[in-house]
Formats: sequence, structure tokens, C-alpha cells
Amino acid sequence: GAGVSQTPSNKVTEKGKYVELRCDPISGHTALYWYRQSLGQGPEFLIYFQGTGAADDSGLPNDRFFAVRPEGSVSTLKIQRTERGDSAVYLCASSLTGVGGRDGELFFGEGSRLTVL
Amino acid sequence: AQTVTQSQPEMSVQEAETVTLSCTYDTSESDYYLFWYKQPPSRQMILVIRQEAYKQQNATENRFSVNFQKAAKSFSLKISDSQLGDAAMYFCAYRTYTGGGADGLTFGKGTHLIIQP
Repeated sequence: GAGVSQTPSNKVTEKGKYVELRCDPISGHTALYWYRQSLGQGPEFLIYFQGTGAADDSGLPNDRFFAVRPEGSVSTLKIQRTERGDSAVYLCASSLTGVGGRDGELFFGEGSRLTVL
Repeated sequence: AQTVTQSQPEMSVQEAETVTLSCTYDTSESDYYLFWYKQPPSRQMILVIRQEAYKQQNATENRFSVNFQKAAKSFSLKISDSQLGDAAMYFCAYRTYTGGGADGLTFGKGTHLIIQP
């Protein structure tokens, strides 16, 4: 696609529920990133995919968070047993190569705002 | 680990005037990239300007320019002839030269820029 697409734009759920957030990167981009942006903060790294594999998941806060990218394109961030502290904007970004240089430049989607009541 | 500090939570400027946003960072590396991103209410991170640390010349993009002081680890953004459309959150970000994964981008907490008509 022309840009990074994220769905849903907004999601309201109740504490304890399961949610999935989807990211459709720019066509041909091998690298995909998930970031979490809490209110009044800058984005914080969650996980990085190179192709189908999670090359670095060191930013996932706990085992309730999981992400997949089964065909090396669309990625889904999954959150189990949601807590009020999970409320944030979840940003997805993709880049052509995932390494340094202009080919590694990140392009962002508009994010999914998650609200846990 | 790298850190990025933006000490101005909010800045206000009159339309057509010039404003400077501050950013400092901490790193032990000699080669890296620095960025300024703009985040309007749509939430999408938009790249404003980039600087390669090995380049002594300050980057310029139309009305946007940076003052890169490598020894002082300072990277400020100057916006000339401010326009109403410049109103947004501005984030300073750091990337390692080889950077993928958690090194993709490290963000500051942001500066909210208000343009007074």
C-alpha cells in the first residue's frame, strides 16, 4: 500500500479482555516495528520483525503481549488479559531494510489508540 | 543505552516568528543519526529533518534547520516563519548507525509547539 495502515484506529475494551491490533506495512518493506506511546511520552520500542521472525522482542513488557508476522507482511499485536495500564497509542512502523542508512528510514502509521476501562 | 532529553514540554510562538526546540542526547557511539519528527493530532509520526553525525554541516529542509553540536551532544530544531500548520508535538530521536531492532529509534518525551495567530 501507499503507507502504513493500522486498524482499528480506536479500541475500547474492558479490563481482562483480549485485543488484537493490526498493522499493514508498506509493500516490500522487510522490517516492521511496534512502539507504545503513553500519554505525554515519546514512543517506546516493543518489538522488531525482520521478515517473518521477531528479531528483537526485548521491549515487550510482559508475557501478556505477543506479536506475529506469519507471512512477512501484515503483523498483529496481541494483548491478553488487558489492564488499565495498557491504555496507550500503539504505533507501527516499517522500513525497507531495517538497518542503518536511508533504506532503514522508518515510516509510521497513525496508530491504534487502546483504552482499557 | 542511549537516552534523548527534551527539556521543553511546551513552546509557544507567534505566527511568522522563529522558534527553537532543544534536544540533548547521551551516547558512547561516534556514528549515529538524529531526527526530528512531527506528530499532529492524527498521531502519524512525520519525519521533519535528519542529521548524520559524521556530517559537520547542519541539515536544512526549507523552513526547518538544525544546530548540531556533536561535542555537546546537542541537536536543536529551528523553525523559521512559523505557520499554523506547524502546530504539533515534536519529537527528537536517535538511531545507531547500524540500527535495527531496539536500536531502531529512541525518542525524547516531546515538545508541544503552539502557534499563536
